[in-house]
This record gives sequence, C-alpha cells and structure tokens, in this order.
Amino acid sequence: QVQLQESGPGLVKPSETLSLTCTVSGGSVSNYYWNWIRHSPGKGLEWIGYIYYSGTTNYNPSLKSRVTISVDTSKNQFSLKLNSVTAADTAVYYCARYHLVTAIDYWGQGTLVTVSS
Amino acid sequence: DIQMTQSPSAMSASVGDRVTITCRASQGISNFLAWFQQKPGKVPTRLIYATSSLQSGVPSRFSGSGSGTEFTLTISSLQPEDFATYYCLQHNSYPLTFGGGTKVEIK
Repeated sequence: QVQLQESGPGLVKPSETLSLTCTVSGGSVSNYYWNWIRHSPGKGLEWIGYIYYSGTTNYNPSLKSRVTISVDTSKNQFSLKLNSVTAADTAVYYCARYHLVTAIDYWGQGTLVTVSS
Repeated sequence: DIQMTQSPSAMSASVGDRVTITCRASQGISNFLAWFQQKPGKVPTRLIYATSSLQSGVPSRFSGSGSGTEFTLTISSLQPEDFATYYCLQHNSYPLTFGGGTKVEIK
C-alpha cells in the first residue's frame, strides 16, 4: 500500500519561502507523476504542479513564477518550494500520486501551512 | 484553464434518496474526469475515474457518467456514511482543475 506523508513548517512569515517534503513509502517515486495540491476555504482545491521521476515538471500558471518542485529518488521524496508567500497561500497542502489515465489515486494526510507574522 | 462548474454546491438529502451531482466543463475533456469524496478532517478518496470506472472497494451505489462537457455522479441510495463533500477533477489538460464541491448534508 502506497503511503505519502507531508512534512515541513506549519507557520511561515509573509514574503518568505514555504518548503514542504513528501516522503513516499510502499512504492517508488521512480514512476508516476508526483503532485502538490492545496485546499483553502477561499479557493477550494487548487493543483499546484507535478514532477515526474525524471525531473520533468508542470506547474499551474497561476503559481509558476513562485513554485519549484523537485524529486530525490535516493530518498524516495519530492519537495515543494513556494516563495514570496502571502496570507492567500494559507492552506492545507497535500502531496499526491497521479496517473495520466486514472488521475489521483493516493493522497498524503495533508499539512496546514499558515502564513502569518 | 478549464473551469469546472459543480452543482449543486450543497444539498440536503435523506438516507435512501437518489442523489445526482453534476460537473460541467468549460470545454471538452473527453473522459478525463474523476470524482472524490472528502469527509471533515480526512483526505479525499477517489470514487470514480475515467468518468465511469468505479474505484476498487467503493460501493456499487456510486456511479459516474457523462462525456465531453457534462458529467454526473450518482448515489443510487444514500447511506449514512455518504454524508460528505464531493469534488470532480478534470485531467484532460493542464492545469488540472477541480469543481467547487458539493456538500451533501442530512435532511
């Protein structure tokens, strides 16, 4: 059974960088597309982007200028960096596995990140 | 971006009711449509993928249909454990986009 677990700070100051890591167990990151998704009361569920194990990325244009997703196959992890955060970036952040045909099949538990001074 | 308009945004229903939730896409998405259920404080779980394929382990009272721009999730006989929020997701093109959600509450 594939499991995903997000980790990282729950509080980030405005203008700083949000950094989260997703650790994958029960399967390898060396396949599939690995995604970040966030959920906020104001915007609902919002897809942030994905990385393929080869390093190919695809980002939501609305966030593209501020987002970097990377993968570390040796640690079976992938990571999210979102810079220049504002209160509008406050959300529950999920990592998730995505398949081109069957969409998202596994989600992490989610982690609340609050942007506040 | 493809906009996914989900309706209704909320509804009240009774155990045993037939429930239908609709997602309309702003442009054609073939059959690249999935449905998720989310309960408070829990992770979304996939119910349906590829418009009508039932996720393993999901009760057969859930079904999906549609094509092109209009899609439906049907719960044939609502059960107590089905009270939750439901979301559609299109993955025909990027960025992936979700519907706004339908909260199904107890009448």
